Amino acid sequence: KAGVTQTPRYLIKTRGQQVTLSCSPISGHRSVSWYQQTPGQGLQFLFEYFSETQRNKGNFPGRFSGRQFSNSRSEMNVSTLELGDSALYLCASSTGTDTQYFGPGTRLTVL
Amino acid sequence: QKEVEQDPGPLSVPEGAIVSLNCTYSNSAFQYFMWYRQYSRKGPELLMYTYSSGNKEDGRFTAQVDKSSKYISLFIRDSQPSDSATYLCAMLLDSNYQLIWGAGTKLIIKP
Repeated sequence: KAGVTQTPRYLIKTRGQQVTLSCSPISGHRSVSWYQQTPGQGLQFLFEYFSETQRNKGNFPGRFSGRQFSNSRSEMNVSTLELGDSALYLCASSTGTDTQYFGPGTRLTVL
Repeated sequence: QKEVEQDPGPLSVPEGAIVSLNCTYSNSAFQYFMWYRQYSRKGPELLMYTYSSGNKEDGRFTAQVDKSSKYISLFIRDSQPSDSATYLCAMLLDSNYQLIWGAGTKLIIKP
């Protein structure tokens, strides 16, 4: 099976802009979770989508949003970018009831 | 108090040593326990996955769960420089499909 894919792999944006990241899960997986990881920090959970519905949500401001399509692909959007949003954004795929498999991540730099 | 505690390290050991990595947790309802390995600038990859208590072995890696002490361990035998990475523990409830993560321990294997 193909693994989890994320696009783009690298992004450079300026403050105030918005960005959309994309994730394609493993075939047959219906759950997609998004995480933010910054240097020295653990994985910070953003949200999880299962069958197009947001099932869990972390403690991030409303500038961070997501959605999932009927083919399980997911997108994450960050509006009004801030310097502190610079991070590695990871997507994880799951059947929805057990462990997660990660993509390579999108490295976002906000200038 | 965090739900999952993990010493961030770094833990530095000589090549060939046995490495012990640990996490403690507070919620006795956790049922699934995982260890992930993350190389620099990459997404985490699943190493070991155990359900409930007991030991599980895979090559040089052994995962151990002690639910009575709320303590999990990952042992690496005959450690190699290629094992140098950050190791993250994660746990899952049966009723809520959100993984709870440790902060990760940075491991350095010196040649």
